Amino acid sequence: NAGVTQTPKFQVLKTGQSMTLQCAQDMNHEYMSWYRQDPGMGLRLIHYSVGAGITDQGEVPNGYNVSRSTTEDFPLRLLSAAPSQTSVYFCASSRTRSEQYFGPGTRLTVT
Amino acid sequence: GDSVTQMEGPVTLSEEAFLTINCTYTATGYPSLFWYVQYPGEGLQLLLKATKADDKGSNKGFEATYRKETTSFHLEKGSVQVSDSAVYFCALRLPNTGNQFYFGTGTSLTVIP
Repeated sequence: NAGVTQTPKFQVLKTGQSMTLQCAQDMNHEYMSWYRQDPGMGLRLIHYSVGAGITDQGEVPNGYNVSRSTTEDFPLRLLSAAPSQTSVYFCASSRTRSEQYFGPGTRLTVT
Repeated sequence: GDSVTQMEGPVTLSEEAFLTINCTYTATGYPSLFWYVQYPGEGLQLLLKATKADDKGSNKGFEATYRKETTSFHLEKGSVQVSDSAVYFCALRLPNTGNQFYFGTGTSLTVIP
């Protein structure tokens, strides 16, 4: 199993550009989530999904969209990048009521 | 609201020293508690967990006991190694919320030879 994979590893965007961070898992987990990690803030939940076709907002959803058309994939879209979205983004997956498995992260810089 | 508070770092220890990283939580109901570790440039990995009061989680020489009376889940290791240098996150999962986690802010540990 590859586990949770994320692409790209690094990305630089200009303010106003849009992009999609990719996340995939091959463990048939129903639950997937996106976090951002900022210094001194820990991990904050952006969006999550409890299964294909079902998504919901987390703590900091503004400026981000998600969709879950398959069990395996959970892409995160930045609609119009802002410098405040400079962060490290982690995708995670799990079975219900089980520990989360994290991807290696995407380091995003918005200039 | 539901939250996790862990001691601020950074923490610097000499090899073979004793480690304690404090973690307390606020939650309704009976959460499950976790410690995750993040090595430089990597994602988080589960280190240990406890799902009910008085449970002790352990792994790789690390231990933490779920103390309901003090709402704590402190991480300990008797003798740290250079390879333990990482950021440690305490986290909780509430019951009956699917699988939503709350993370602490992380504690950076550096172990020097």
